[in-house]
Amino acid sequence: DADVTQTPRNRITKTGKRIMLECSQTKGHDRMYWYRQDPGLGLRLIYYSFDVKDINKGEISDGYSVSRQAQAKFSLSLESAIPNQTALYFCATSGAGTGRPDTQYFGPGTRLTVL
Amino acid sequence: GENVEQHPSTLSVQEGDSAVIKCTYSDSASNYFPWYKQELGKRPQLIIDIRSNVGEKKDQRIAVTLNKTAKHFSLHITETQPEDSAVYFCAASRNQGGKLIFGQGTELSVKP
Repeated sequence: DADVTQTPRNRITKTGKRIMLECSQTKGHDRMYWYRQDPGLGLRLIYYSFDVKDINKGEISDGYSVSRQAQAKFSLSLESAIPNQTALYFCATSGAGTGRPDTQYFGPGTRLTVL
Repeated sequence: GENVEQHPSTLSVQEGDSAVIKCTYSDSASNYFPWYKQELGKRPQLIIDIRSNVGEKKDQRIAVTLNKTAKHFSLHITETQPEDSAVYFCAASRNQGGKLIFGQGTELSVKP
């Protein structure tokens, strides 16, 4: 889905650095999500937002923060990156007002390596 | 807390055989159960879903069954083809359009 984009696609950084991952969508969806994917652990929810003024912690929010700058933009920040945050990060969207409010559409992913 | 267990973690079948992946959920209020397919290097994409008011749903070669009493649901792929090779994730949600809790994933390999 080109409608959900993530930047950067790949990032290598060092321990202690602040990192921001960005997600944009042109689907007009109100709901946005951040997941991380690790081998054998599936997709784990970090944060989710049901509208611009609504931010919720997911299963593994420690060490992360988010910002919903607009309905179409949802950013994930690592304030002080550590090696065990090395993972593949996915943004996803869903639309409460669409015919399929439960379907989540994923971005292409950001591969983050923390050295 | 909410949890979804998925088995097996890897599955290898011969082309043309059937494949079955099973998931168990902990939250009895869950009412929506999607399955996502993730091809190598790609993003997860929805392939089929089922709601708690339905026991089975089919779409061509794939089907999903739900047993609410036992709190488990399964994905069935018949006449498997090499292009079915991917990682499959089950998930569960308790609210329409709400957050999904994913299983750990199953890596399916279909050998020609």
